[in-house]
Amino acid sequence: DGGITQSPKYLFRKEGQNVTLSCEQNLNHDAMYWYRQDPGQGLRLIYYSQIVNDFQKGDIAEGYSVSREKKESFPLTVTSAQKNPTAFYLCASSPSGQGAGEAFFGQGTRLTVV
Amino acid sequence: GEDVEQSLFLSVREGDSSVINCTYTDSSSTYLYWYKQEPGAGLQLLTYIFSNMDMKQDQRLTVLLNKKDKHLSLRIADTQTGDSAIYFCAESIVGGGADGLTFGKGTHLIIQP
Repeated sequence: DGGITQSPKYLFRKEGQNVTLSCEQNLNHDAMYWYRQDPGQGLRLIYYSQIVNDFQKGDIAEGYSVSREKKESFPLTVTSAQKNPTAFYLCASSPSGQGAGEAFFGQGTRLTVV
Repeated sequence: GEDVEQSLFLSVREGDSSVINCTYTDSSSTYLYWYKQEPGAGLQLLTYIFSNMDMKQDQRLTVLLNKKDKHLSLRIADTQTGDSAIYFCAESIVGGGADGLTFGKGTHLIIQP
């Protein structure tokens, strides 16, 4: 079955540590995205990538880093520079081109700083 | 700038219709979307409408678009307990990817027995 998979579902981080969230898709989508969701808030775009080996900052990129070495994979690293990393992180993908622009989402990773 | 507004909560009785409203500000929006998020899960695309349409119906879901007032609504007929979720309205001014999506804060639909 085609889909987008995030792992782990829950992640705990000590202050000062970097952690990496995994996102893999087998939908053959060119574009992939990372969003952050806080309670009572909409989704805020962290980074996105329209093509392999290229990515762009979203609205809240500070304290985060990404890579896009393969079409299927778009890992997100939450660095120690991110002051308030506790949140629900959602990865999404979409086909390129002038389609409807709908995004397909993973099930999310809940990151908690302890 | 872009802004999408929704009420944070809506409570309805099981079997009634639910109407979730959304307003947006960007007049160049090309697509408008409704996503559903169940607890602890990702977002699921329910339906979308192109901005030259007034209405779209898909089984129990009806989307109405008033482009003049920049108002979008989602009607769920015969609301069931499984419809309990957060519903996000989103607009796209590009129509080619999720980097152009602007989301509202979501409406939490609460179903009363």
